[in-house]
Amino acid sequence: GEDVEQSLFLSVREGDSSVINCTYTDSSSTYLYWYKQEPGAGLQLLTYIFSNMDMKQDQRLTVLLNKKDKHLSLRIADTQTGDSAIYFCAESLSGYSTLTFGKGTMLLVSP
Amino acid sequence: NAGVTQTPKFQVLKTGQSMTLQCAQDMNHNSMYWYRQDPGMGLRLIYYSASEGTTDKGEVPNGYNVSRLNKREFSLRLESAAPSQTSVYFCASTDGSPYEQYFGPGTRLTVT
Repeated sequence: GEDVEQSLFLSVREGDSSVINCTYTDSSSTYLYWYKQEPGAGLQLLTYIFSNMDMKQDQRLTVLLNKKDKHLSLRIADTQTGDSAIYFCAESLSGYSTLTFGKGTMLLVSP
Repeated sequence: NAGVTQTPKFQVLKTGQSMTLQCAQDMNHNSMYWYRQDPGMGLRLIYYSASEGTTDKGEVPNGYNVSRLNKREFSLRLESAAPSQTSVYFCASTDGSPYEQYFGPGTRLTVT
């Protein structure tokens, strides 16, 4: 079955880089996602990567995928206090199936 | 476009009461989902509707029913609320693109 694991908490200083890690168990995963949830709000898609890619960069965000180890990471460069939120890793087997979410990593950015 | 809207935003129920959580989307999406979010548990899928006229159970369907009223609306009903159903409930929708579900703002439900 599908299972997604994340560390629960990360604290960094403003201006540093943040790296949030995720592992998944289903090697059939086709799409892997990072969602962001700000306090009191719903989830918003940050970025995604297809399983046939190793890396994707989008402005301050870099996603790395290691298929052999089933490991996904999200790097946020020059982290700002506005990046403080909960970050969810998620996987799906195809673009039309349901998503399986990790428990979320709370990122706290201090000035 | 309002995106995905949910009503109510907050609700307090007594054990045994019933209520319906409403969700609507104005993006002409085919698929809609109901999740619950509990501290330390992430998001768990309750029910989903891949298209108008179909509904399927997710990971935690017990104690809930759903109705896909039309393409826009997908409601979640608690027939006899229990304290274990205290949670934040999120509705989401997608057009089938492989990479984005759009989420509503959530309904915070407390069952006493």
